[in-house]
Amino acid sequence: SQQGEEDPQALSIQEGENATMNCSYKTSINNLQWYRQNSGRGLVHLILIRSNEREKHSGRLRVTLDTSKKSSSLLITASRAADTASYFCAWMDSNYQLIWGAGTKLIIKP
Amino acid sequence: KAGVTQTPRYLIKTRGQQVTLSCSPISGHRSVSWYQQTPGQGLQFLFEYFSETQRNKGNFPGRFSGRQFSNSRSEMNVSTLELGDSALYLCASSLPKIGPQETQYFGPGTRLLVL
Repeated sequence: SQQGEEDPQALSIQEGENATMNCSYKTSINNLQWYRQNSGRGLVHLILIRSNEREKHSGRLRVTLDTSKKSSSLLITASRAADTASYFCAWMDSNYQLIWGAGTKLIIKP
Repeated sequence: KAGVTQTPRYLIKTRGQQVTLSCSPISGHRSVSWYQQTPGQGLQFLFEYFSETQRNKGNFPGRFSGRQFSNSRSEMNVSTLELGDSALYLCASSLPKIGPQETQYFGPGTRLLVL
């Protein structure tokens, strides 16, 4: 993608394990956000990290941002079946448009 | 507060027709953005409206247009539909800010199928 990438494309882990997803982008950003999408609840905002921040936590979520490498990661600890969903990173570029990654499909096996 | 609502939820059209999709933002939100989601291209930004004015526009042809009403409700219109317009169209609203919007609250989407 000319805009950026997410990896892995798909991830399947056992319940209770940790899941890590990575996002890379190519432009300068104002902030980077992570969203979750599943059929039940649609697209839901999880966490936002600003360009001058390096790490942020929210419950079982930990997000890091490395602007020098133009990359971010999302860590979900102690995964649950309800975490099964697609996860998207999205970054607000200098034109204040939200550009989206391709997403990581996460499956939590019971 | 009620969430973002979109109507209709599902729509089937034929090539060449036009379609209008509607979005009601969360009460008090003044910014509404539209996105197209397809398996091939993923999520792509269409446009954003704030206080009845288009504030930002993505890279889509002029067949895609939108508007926002004084009550912040928004509509998007696609004219001369093509097969490739088949997608999930998502609307999102944001808290009232003069500056750029950040956290977005999404509706369930309208799934459009063009035959």
